[in-house]
Amino acid sequence: RKEVEQDPGPFNVPEGATVAFNCTYSNSASQSFFWYRQDCRKEPKLLMSVYSSGNEDGRFTAQLNRASQYISLLIRDSKLSDSATYLCVVRSGGSNYKLTFGKGTLLTVNP
Amino acid sequence: DAGVIQSPRHEVTEMGQEVTLRCKPISGHNSLFWYRQTMMRGLELLIYFNNNVPIDDSGMPEDRFSAKMPNASFSTLKIQPSEPRDSAVYFCASSYTGNQPQHFGDGTRLSIL
Repeated sequence: RKEVEQDPGPFNVPEGATVAFNCTYSNSASQSFFWYRQDCRKEPKLLMSVYSSGNEDGRFTAQLNRASQYISLLIRDSKLSDSATYLCVVRSGGSNYKLTFGKGTLLTVNP
Repeated sequence: DAGVIQSPRHEVTEMGQEVTLRCKPISGHNSLFWYRQTMMRGLELLIYFNNNVPIDDSGMPEDRFSAKMPNASFSTLKIQPSEPRDSAVYFCASSYTGNQPQHFGDGTRLSIL
């Protein structure tokens, strides 16, 4: 089983739609969780951290289920500018520096 | 403020040639990471430096790959000899400390013919 698994997509949604991405991780000792965004031919950028109680940043909501080892990202009222690849990222429990990246989910928001 | 600076942005070379990728981390950051991204394997950590010292090189694929960090403002990743399967995007990232958010450079798009 891969350390971090994501549905690769692609997801094609109209503007204004709500879209959800899911991610599972295999290491139960994982400590920290993040969503990164990567635009085409660009570098990954931190979108948001994921906290145990769930957290929201504007139109973006992240949730963590430690029992199921499952992370989600919800985007409400999607914009054309949300089109990108979304990477699920986990910091392993045995390391305070190593990030393990999922292969990403491609989102295209259409006018 | 300047971000992480990588050079070159693109490199195309023939197999067997030596390739050197360069990275300047953000000033004040003591942690530096080299990653490789491919369609098949996604983004993988190659090596991690802390205060210019290699801490974890378990991701370096084989002896053809080497990385150095001679000072706090410069690091290189070298491939010698290069092979077509080394074709990928190589990212350098830095962070204030190892567990702080990592800031990525623009990457070097490497093609080995």
